[in-house]
Amino acid sequence: EVHLLESGGGLVQPGGSLRLSCAASGFTFSSSAMSWVRQAPGKGLEWVSSITSGGNTYYADSVKGRFTISRDNSKNTLYLQVNSLRAEDTAVFYCGKGTAFEIWGQGTMVTVSS
Amino acid sequence: EIVLTQSPGTLSLSPGERATLSCRASQSVNNNYLAWCQQKPGQAPRLLIYGASSRATGIPDRFSGSGSGTDFTLTISRLEPEDFAVYYCQQYGNSPFTFGPGTKVDIK
Repeated sequence: EVHLLESGGGLVQPGGSLRLSCAASGFTFSSSAMSWVRQAPGKGLEWVSSITSGGNTYYADSVKGRFTISRDNSKNTLYLQVNSLRAEDTAVFYCGKGTAFEIWGQGTMVTVSS
Repeated sequence: EIVLTQSPGTLSLSPGERATLSCRASQSVNNNYLAWCQQKPGQAPRLLIYGASSRATGIPDRFSGSGSGTDFTLTISRLEPEDFAVYYCQQYGNSPFTFGPGTKVDIK
């Protein structure tokens, strides 16, 4: 069964950092593009970042220079390093398989507050 | 950046009725890489349609997608009780890959 499991969210102060992880199973992770999307409380979906199987990366303007997407194919794990966090980054972060989000994880909550 | 506009914002219908949701792009979507997903309260979204008209694995055939270029449509032929949810379109043809604001389908 294809499965994605996010972790690493939590409460962080403005200016702080977190590393989000997404553990993948049930498919050939190394051959798949992967992505992150976020959803602020009560709001819609916002694409954040994607990484191709070859390691090419893409970012939304709102996170460029602050967030870094990466992958470890030996661990079947996707990462999102989130730095210089702001209150407006408070959201549930979802990882997804591909750029069309064939499969979604259940999400991990990031709360930025003092 | 391609901006996606969805209409209507809310669609109030009864079970058994037909739902027609629209997604319009500010410029042509490369290769018609347009997806539709469904989200229910408290749940992660799930993919319904990719490539404008291909149903994702396990999606019932009452869901269909159509369109090309800048105008796309999601049709639910006969609404089932479990179909009342929020629907988002998303383009993944050009980075940044953008989502529309969503259409809420609720029970009339």
